Amino acid sequence: RKEVEQDPGPFNVPEGATVAFNCTYSNSASQSFFWYRQDCRKEPKLLMSVYSSGNEDGRFTAQLNRASQYISLLIRDSKLSDSATYLCASLSNYQLIWGAGTKLIIKP
Amino acid sequence: EPEVTQTPSHQVTQMGQEVILRCVPISNHLYFYWYRQILGQKVEFLVSFYNNEISEKSEIFDDQFSVERPDGSNFTLKIRSTKLEDSAMYFCAGGTSGREYFGPGTRLTVT
Repeated sequence: RKEVEQDPGPFNVPEGATVAFNCTYSNSASQSFFWYRQDCRKEPKLLMSVYSSGNEDGRFTAQLNRASQYISLLIRDSKLSDSATYLCASLSNYQLIWGAGTKLIIKP
Repeated sequence: EPEVTQTPSHQVTQMGQEVILRCVPISNHLYFYWYRQILGQKVEFLVSFYNNEISEKSEIFDDQFSVERPDGSNFTLKIRSTKLEDSAMYFCAGGTSGREYFGPGTRLTVT
């Protein structure tokens, strides 16, 4: 039973485009949600926390839809350096449960 | 900016041997975690540690695994008798409530 699911991609996107990822979760009791970024063979790095009211940080916007049990990440004006795998995670019982990640490739 | 550090960066060991993976978390973090990531797969929670004891652990974290924070600085993960399927990246992290800061990982290869 997969608790957190993501489209593995890869998403091939031209530089400057807007790209959106969704992530669904199965545990309705999950308290908090996060987006992490992971470069190849590197550690995950926290990108954003996801609040019920949405969260925006520069070109990045994260939103939570509790009714449909998904979170989303929107990247505007994508840059080559945005190429990475984007992991969503839900916090349940003080444990982070991870999705498998969506690979994003930004092409010049 | 303070960072989480891990040593060694790569550990090769034979099946059945004990390994100790070391981490120095950021000093003002209160919760510490170990995760593993088998190549090409998702990050998996192993254990969380707070106030010098385990607060949560996953099904993966069986009797072969143990954690310690012996000197208030280093945070270690011990695998007593390694198996081939223990080959993975092992990440240490610190933080709280999902906002976690990861170390660069130790790649463990069991042969």
